[in-house]
Amino acid sequence: AQKVTQAQTEISVVEKEDVTLDCVYETRDTTYYLFWYKQPPSGELVFLIRRNSFDEQNEISGRYSWNFQKSTSSFNFTITASQVVDSAVYFCALSLSNDYKLSFGAGTTVTVRA
Amino acid sequence: DGGITQSPKYLFRKEGQNVTLSCEQNLNHDAMYWYRQDPGQGLRLIYYSQIVNDFQKGDIAEGYSVSREKKESFPLTVTSAQKNPTAFYLCASNYRLAGYNEQFFGPGTRLTVL
Repeated sequence: AQKVTQAQTEISVVEKEDVTLDCVYETRDTTYYLFWYKQPPSGELVFLIRRNSFDEQNEISGRYSWNFQKSTSSFNFTITASQVVDSAVYFCALSLSNDYKLSFGAGTTVTVRA
Repeated sequence: DGGITQSPKYLFRKEGQNVTLSCEQNLNHDAMYWYRQDPGQGLRLIYYSQIVNDFQKGDIAEGYSVSREKKESFPLTVTSAQKNPTAFYLCASNYRLAGYNEQFFGPGTRLTVL
């Protein structure tokens, strides 16, 4: 069975600081997909990124960047120059190529103070 | 605008009563899902459906029931058999029941049983 661990429960930073969210996963499958979702106070989950297991290239999208390392089974997420609007709960999730199921981590609550 | 709607946003019920949560999507997605979210925890899958008139149990289906009579609709009934129904319920959908497809989420319904 697959498992996703987000060891950081809460992170609090001051605006403009960088913040890195850790995600460690476990799976025996060689083909899998990793996701990050953002859950703002409104409650709706917003899709941020998908990464498949064969693509270890890091990705940058504006102030967001992701570091995927199969050797350590990690898919970490960095917010550069954080803003108050980044305050949310962030979830890492994993699914297998032959399965529907999204396995979620417990989430990390990020609070950005002005 | 395409999206997923859930109603109501807040729901209060007395213990022992059945309650039905609505989920509608106009994205023409085949697969739909129901998740439960408890404080400090990730999302857990209750039920999912990949086609009309078919649905499958997820990890925590006991005390819940669903129907899929239309492609656009996937209502969830929380029955009196659910021992601890107070939670945040999220509906999601995607094109196919495959691991690589990101799921799109509705705004959620917060159910409180008094």
